[in-house]
Amino acid sequence: GENVEQHPSTLSVQEGDSAVIKCTYSDSASNYFPWYKQELGKGPQLIIDIRSNVGEKKDQRIAVTLNKTAKHFSLHITETQPEDSAVYFCAARVPWGGYNKLIFGAGTRLAVHP
Amino acid sequence: DTAVSQTPKYLVTQMGNDKSIKCEQNLGHDTMYWYKQDSKKFLKIMFSYNNKELIINETVPNRFSPKSPDKAHLNLHINSLELGDSAVYFCASSLGGGYTEAFFGQGTRLTVV
Repeated sequence: GENVEQHPSTLSVQEGDSAVIKCTYSDSASNYFPWYKQELGKGPQLIIDIRSNVGEKKDQRIAVTLNKTAKHFSLHITETQPEDSAVYFCAARVPWGGYNKLIFGAGTRLAVHP
Repeated sequence: DTAVSQTPKYLVTQMGNDKSIKCEQNLGHDTMYWYKQDSKKFLKIMFSYNNKELIINETVPNRFSPKSPDKAHLNLHINSLELGDSAVYFCASSLGGGYTEAFFGQGTRLTVV
């Protein structure tokens, strides 16, 4: 069935360090993988996404990698800053009845300490 | 200009009451969604509408009834509220049903007492 597993559930790093969040998906038909950042009291905000025909995508301090064979994708944040502290969600788009659904991971609470 | 706006932001009500949450998007998107986020932050889709037509109903109790008067609005009406309905409800929209660059509203925290 449809499932996205996300690890770790919590991550604590020092400012300036890198943070890596990993996700695994089950549906091989998944072809689009967005990452969302949710700050306290706000809705999830798209920060980066990757399609299945690309292995890596980078946007300033954040990057996403995708291994379709292993059904793994990861978010990498370099030079972390306190404002990066938030809950991060990975998601996988799966076909559904001619349309699509987004299946979310359970989230990773990232804390960046000054 | 808020892209996806929900009202109210907070809603506290008693069991058994009926309540509505409104959502509007000004992005020109034709697909809108309702998501439920539980106390453990887990996000799960409830409904999806494309051009006012229901396309996904993810085994949500009949007490939940979405209504889309036009493609810019998707409201959620909940009858006979139960304690287990307490959660944060998010509206979202995207261009087409592909979910590419889906935008979320700020959420409505519903507390049933």
